[in-house]
Amino acid sequence: LAKTTQPISMDSYEGQEVNITCSHNNIATNDYITWYQQFPSQGPRFIIQGYKTKVTNEVASLFIPADRKSSTLSLPRVSLSDTAVYYCLVGDIGSSASKIIFGSGTRLSIRP
Amino acid sequence: GAGVSQSPSNKVTEKGKDVELRCDPISGHTALYWYRQSLGQGLEFLIYFQGNSAPDKSGLPSDRFSAERTGGSVSTLTIQRTQQEDSAVYLCASSGAGTTGETQYFGPGTRLLVL
Repeated sequence: LAKTTQPISMDSYEGQEVNITCSHNNIATNDYITWYQQFPSQGPRFIIQGYKTKVTNEVASLFIPADRKSSTLSLPRVSLSDTAVYYCLVGDIGSSASKIIFGSGTRLSIRP
Repeated sequence: GAGVSQSPSNKVTEKGKDVELRCDPISGHTALYWYRQSLGQGLEFLIYFQGNSAPDKSGLPSDRFSAERTGGSVSTLTIQRTQQEDSAVYLCASSGAGTTGETQYFGPGTRLLVL
């Protein structure tokens, strides 16, 4: 199983760039890397997904090195509303949905 | 369009009672997943449905837990003889076809409290 390791918590300030790194040393060839955001009392919300190199969308960027053993979620110019738990997932729901593991996530706190 | 919906949003029950939790996936999505999330914890996989294939039940914690998916759409998670340790948020997600590279769309969850 592709286990992930990410920091338990992070603090930052409004307007800063926040980078959250996730380690996944035993990622498999078919595995994708996906990040979700979860607010209290809500279900997780998809942020971004990648397989290799760099992916960017309107809310975040995802950096994946060539060996794919880690990934970094980058949130540009965070605001108070970015305070949430961020989960890094590694897996392939096409072949092994049950093997996708949500860890405890990174609790990001943004201060004014 | 409508997202994944779940009902009830909250459920309080007494130990030993049975409960049913409902999930309505996004229309057209053939893959459906149930997860459990205890307070302050990550998500624990319970069961996965894909089309007409046999469900992957490998995450169900005991035989008190079961789930059905009727007509390839709505799903019901049933917990029999509830125990206090069953208290958690039960989350449902769906995805288009459960194929490589897809993402899951989650509902708001059902908060279950067993007294």
